[in-house]
Amino acid sequence: SQTIHQWPATLVQPVGSPLSLECTVEGTSNPNLYWYRQAAGRGLQLLFYSVGIGQISSEVPQNLSASRPQDRQFILSSKKLLLSDSGFYLCAWSAAGHSPLHFGNGTRLTVT
Amino acid sequence: AQRVTQPEKLLSVFKGAPVELKCNYSYSGSPELFWYVQYSRQRLQLLLRHISRESIKGFTADLNKGETSFHLKKPFAQEEDSAMYYCALRESSGDKLTFGTGTRLAVRP
Repeated sequence: SQTIHQWPATLVQPVGSPLSLECTVEGTSNPNLYWYRQAAGRGLQLLFYSVGIGQISSEVPQNLSASRPQDRQFILSSKKLLLSDSGFYLCAWSAAGHSPLHFGNGTRLTVT
Repeated sequence: AQRVTQPEKLLSVFKGAPVELKCNYSYSGSPELFWYVQYSRQRLQLLLRHISRESIKGFTADLNKGETSFHLKKPFAQEEDSAMYYCALRESSGDKLTFGTGTRLAVRP
Protein backbone atom coordinates (compact mmCIF):
# COMPACT_ATOMS: atom_id res chain seq x y z
CA SER A 1 0.00 0.00 0.00
CA GLN A 2 1.04 3.59 -0.47
CA THR A 3 2.41 5.68 2.37
CA ILE A 4 3.58 9.25 2.68
CA HIS A 5 6.26 10.42 5.08
CA GLN A 6 6.82 14.02 6.04
CA TRP A 7 9.48 15.37 8.42
CA PRO A 8 10.24 16.90 10.74
CA ALA A 9 6.97 17.04 12.66
CA THR A 10 7.88 20.30 14.35
CA LEU A 11 10.58 22.85 13.67
CA VAL A 12 11.63 26.09 15.32
CA GLN A 13 13.94 28.26 13.26
CA PRO A 14 15.26 31.83 13.65
CA VAL A 15 14.46 34.52 11.15
CA GLY A 16 16.95 34.51 8.29
CA SER A 17 17.86 30.85 8.61
CA PRO A 18 17.39 28.35 5.77
CA LEU A 19 14.62 25.77 5.61
CA SER A 20 14.30 22.30 4.19
CA LEU A 21 11.19 20.17 4.67
CA GLU A 22 11.13 16.75 3.10
CA CYS A 23 8.32 14.54 1.87
CA THR A 24 8.59 11.06 0.40
CA VAL A 25 6.00 8.66 -0.96
CA GLU A 26 6.26 4.89 -1.05
CA GLY A 27 4.32 2.28 -2.94
CA THR A 28 3.51 4.21 -6.08
CA SER A 29 5.25 5.58 -9.16
CA ASN A 30 5.04 8.98 -10.81
CA PRO A 31 2.68 10.52 -8.25
CA ASN A 32 1.50 14.10 -8.35
CA LEU A 33 2.99 15.85 -5.33
CA TYR A 34 1.75 18.92 -3.45
CA TRP A 35 2.76 21.35 -0.73
CA TYR A 36 -0.03 23.13 1.14
CA ARG A 37 0.02 25.56 4.04
CA GLN A 38 -2.78 25.31 6.57
CA ALA A 39 -3.64 28.41 8.55
CA ALA A 40 -6.51 28.99 10.95
CA GLY A 41 -9.35 30.80 9.23
CA ARG A 42 -7.64 30.60 5.86
CA GLY A 43 -7.98 26.93 5.06
CA LEU A 44 -5.46 25.12 2.93
CA GLN A 45 -3.44 27.23 0.55
CA LEU A 46 -1.73 25.43 -2.31
CA LEU A 47 1.91 26.49 -2.51
CA PHE A 48 3.45 24.16 -5.09
CA TYR A 49 2.59 21.08 -7.05
CA SER A 50 4.52 18.75 -9.31
CA VAL A 51 3.40 16.26 -11.93
CA GLY A 52 6.88 14.87 -12.58
CA ILE A 53 10.59 15.08 -11.76
CA GLY A 54 11.85 18.61 -12.17
CA GLN A 55 8.36 19.95 -12.95
CA ILE A 56 7.25 22.46 -10.34
CA SER A 57 4.27 24.79 -10.48
CA SER A 58 4.12 27.67 -8.03
CA GLU A 59 0.74 28.95 -7.03
CA VAL A 60 1.56 32.03 -4.99
CA PRO A 61 4.52 34.39 -4.88
CA GLN A 62 6.42 33.78 -1.71
CA ASN A 63 9.68 33.30 0.07
CA LEU A 64 9.62 29.56 -0.48
CA SER A 65 10.68 27.21 -3.28
CA ALA A 66 10.11 23.54 -4.04
CA SER A 67 12.12 20.85 -5.77
CA ARG A 68 11.54 17.30 -6.87
CA PRO A 69 14.94 15.64 -7.23
CA GLN A 70 13.49 12.14 -7.39
CA ASP A 71 10.19 10.66 -8.51
CA ARG A 72 8.83 10.24 -5.00
CA GLN A 73 10.61 13.03 -3.15
CA PHE A 74 9.34 16.57 -2.75
CA ILE A 75 11.27 19.23 -0.86
CA LEU A 76 10.12 22.62 0.39
CA SER A 77 12.91 25.13 0.93
CA SER A 78 13.77 28.66 1.81
CA LYS A 79 17.10 30.47 1.79
CA LYS A 80 16.07 32.96 4.47
CA LEU A 81 12.99 32.45 6.61
CA LEU A 82 10.62 35.27 7.47
CA LEU A 83 8.33 35.50 10.49
CA SER A 84 5.39 35.20 8.11
CA ASP A 85 6.58 31.75 7.02
CA SER A 86 5.40 30.30 10.32
CA GLY A 87 2.58 27.85 9.83
CA PHE A 88 1.54 24.26 9.34
CA TYR A 89 2.83 22.70 6.12
CA LEU A 90 1.23 19.69 4.54
CA CYS A 91 2.59 17.44 1.83
CA ALA A 92 0.19 15.37 -0.26
CA TRP A 93 0.24 12.98 -3.18
CA SER A 94 -2.25 11.71 -5.70
CA ALA A 95 -2.16 9.25 -8.54
CA ALA A 96 -2.07 10.82 -11.97
CA GLY A 97 -5.49 11.63 -13.27
CA HIS A 98 -8.55 12.44 -11.24
CA SER A 99 -7.61 10.84 -7.96
CA PRO A 100 -8.05 12.18 -4.44
CA LEU A 101 -5.18 13.63 -2.45
CA HIS A 102 -3.54 11.75 0.40
CA PHE A 103 -1.93 13.90 3.06
CA GLY A 104 1.06 13.54 5.32
CA ASN A 105 1.02 14.35 9.02
CA GLY A 106 2.30 17.87 8.49
CA THR A 107 5.14 20.02 9.84
CA ARG A 108 4.56 22.79 12.35
CA LEU A 109 7.08 25.52 11.54
CA THR A 110 7.67 28.36 13.98
CA VAL A 111 9.96 31.15 12.89
CA THR A 112 11.25 33.19 15.84
CA ALA B 1 -10.33 31.27 -11.16
CA GLN B 2 -12.11 28.63 -9.17
CA ARG B 3 -13.19 29.39 -5.63
CA VAL B 4 -14.62 27.34 -2.76
CA THR B 5 -16.63 29.02 -0.01
CA GLN B 6 -17.50 27.52 3.36
CA PRO B 7 -19.49 30.27 5.09
CA GLU B 8 -19.44 28.79 8.59
CA LYS B 9 -16.25 28.68 10.63
CA LEU B 10 -17.95 26.79 13.44
CA LEU B 11 -21.07 24.68 13.57
CA SER B 12 -22.21 23.42 16.95
CA VAL B 13 -25.02 20.87 17.29
CA PHE B 14 -26.31 18.44 19.86
CA LYS B 15 -25.84 14.70 19.48
CA GLY B 16 -28.65 13.25 17.40
CA ALA B 17 -29.41 16.52 15.62
CA PRO B 18 -29.16 16.84 11.82
CA VAL B 19 -26.03 18.39 10.39
CA GLU B 20 -25.48 20.37 7.20
CA LEU B 21 -22.07 21.80 6.38
CA LYS B 22 -22.35 24.28 3.55
CA CYS B 23 -20.06 24.48 0.55
CA ASN B 24 -20.48 26.69 -2.49
CA TYR B 25 -18.14 26.95 -5.42
CA SER B 26 -17.50 29.12 -8.42
CA TYR B 27 -16.15 27.45 -11.52
CA SER B 28 -17.28 27.73 -15.10
CA GLY B 29 -16.53 24.14 -16.12
CA SER B 30 -17.50 20.73 -14.75
CA PRO B 31 -15.83 20.42 -11.35
CA GLU B 32 -15.02 17.46 -9.21
CA LEU B 33 -15.95 18.03 -5.58
CA PHE B 34 -14.57 16.46 -2.42
CA TRP B 35 -15.07 16.60 1.33
CA TYR B 36 -12.02 16.10 3.54
CA VAL B 37 -12.07 15.67 7.32
CA GLN B 38 -9.43 16.17 10.00
CA TYR B 39 -10.10 14.58 13.37
CA SER B 40 -8.15 15.70 16.41
CA ARG B 41 -4.52 14.56 16.22
CA GLN B 42 -5.05 12.83 12.89
CA ARG B 43 -4.04 13.68 9.37
CA LEU B 44 -6.37 15.24 6.85
CA GLN B 45 -8.22 12.48 5.02
CA LEU B 46 -10.76 12.06 2.27
CA LEU B 47 -14.34 11.67 3.48
CA LEU B 48 -16.19 11.44 0.20
CA ARG B 49 -16.22 12.62 -3.43
CA HIS B 50 -19.22 13.48 -5.52
CA ILE B 51 -18.51 11.04 -8.32
CA SER B 52 -18.71 8.12 -5.89
CA ARG B 53 -22.23 9.04 -4.79
CA GLU B 54 -21.80 7.01 -1.62
CA SER B 55 -22.47 7.51 2.07
CA ILE B 56 -19.46 7.48 4.36
CA LYS B 57 -19.94 7.37 8.14
CA GLY B 58 -23.54 8.40 7.53
CA PHE B 59 -22.55 11.52 5.58
CA THR B 60 -23.79 12.30 2.09
CA ALA B 61 -23.22 15.18 -0.28
CA ASP B 62 -24.99 15.95 -3.53
CA LEU B 63 -23.55 18.16 -6.22
CA ASN B 64 -26.10 20.81 -7.20
CA LYS B 65 -24.82 22.46 -10.34
CA GLY B 66 -27.72 24.90 -10.48
CA GLU B 67 -26.91 26.28 -7.04
CA THR B 68 -23.17 25.52 -7.37
CA SER B 69 -23.26 23.79 -4.02
CA PHE B 70 -21.95 20.59 -2.47
CA HIS B 71 -23.34 20.60 1.05
CA LEU B 72 -22.40 17.80 3.45
CA LYS B 73 -25.27 16.28 5.39
CA LYS B 74 -25.87 13.76 8.13
CA PRO B 75 -29.30 13.09 9.64
CA PHE B 76 -28.11 12.29 13.17
CA ALA B 77 -24.82 13.71 14.42
CA GLN B 78 -22.54 11.69 16.69
CA GLU B 79 -19.92 13.01 19.10
CA GLU B 80 -17.20 11.29 17.08
CA ASP B 81 -18.16 13.45 14.10
CA SER B 82 -16.54 16.42 15.82
CA ALA B 83 -13.73 17.50 13.50
CA MET B 84 -12.61 20.05 10.94
CA TYR B 85 -14.26 19.63 7.55
CA TYR B 86 -12.91 21.01 4.27
CA CYS B 87 -14.66 21.19 0.93
CA ALA B 88 -12.41 21.01 -2.14
CA LEU B 89 -12.76 21.43 -5.89
CA ARG B 90 -10.71 20.10 -8.77
CA GLU B 91 -11.02 21.57 -12.23
CA SER B 92 -12.05 19.19 -14.97
CA SER B 93 -8.68 19.55 -16.66
CA GLY B 94 -6.46 20.18 -13.69
CA ASP B 95 -4.26 18.37 -11.23
CA LYS B 96 -4.66 20.64 -8.24
CA LEU B 97 -7.32 20.89 -5.53
CA THR B 98 -8.63 24.20 -4.26
CA PHE B 99 -9.84 24.06 -0.67
CA GLY B 100 -12.32 26.11 1.29
CA THR B 101 -11.46 27.69 4.62
CA GLY B 102 -12.99 24.82 6.57
CA THR B 103 -15.81 24.40 9.07
CA ARG B 104 -15.27 23.08 12.56
CA LEU B 105 -18.10 20.80 13.61
CA ALA B 106 -18.64 20.41 17.35
CA VAL B 107 -21.16 17.80 18.45
CA ARG B 108 -22.24 18.24 22.06
CA PRO B 109 -23.52 15.38 24.20
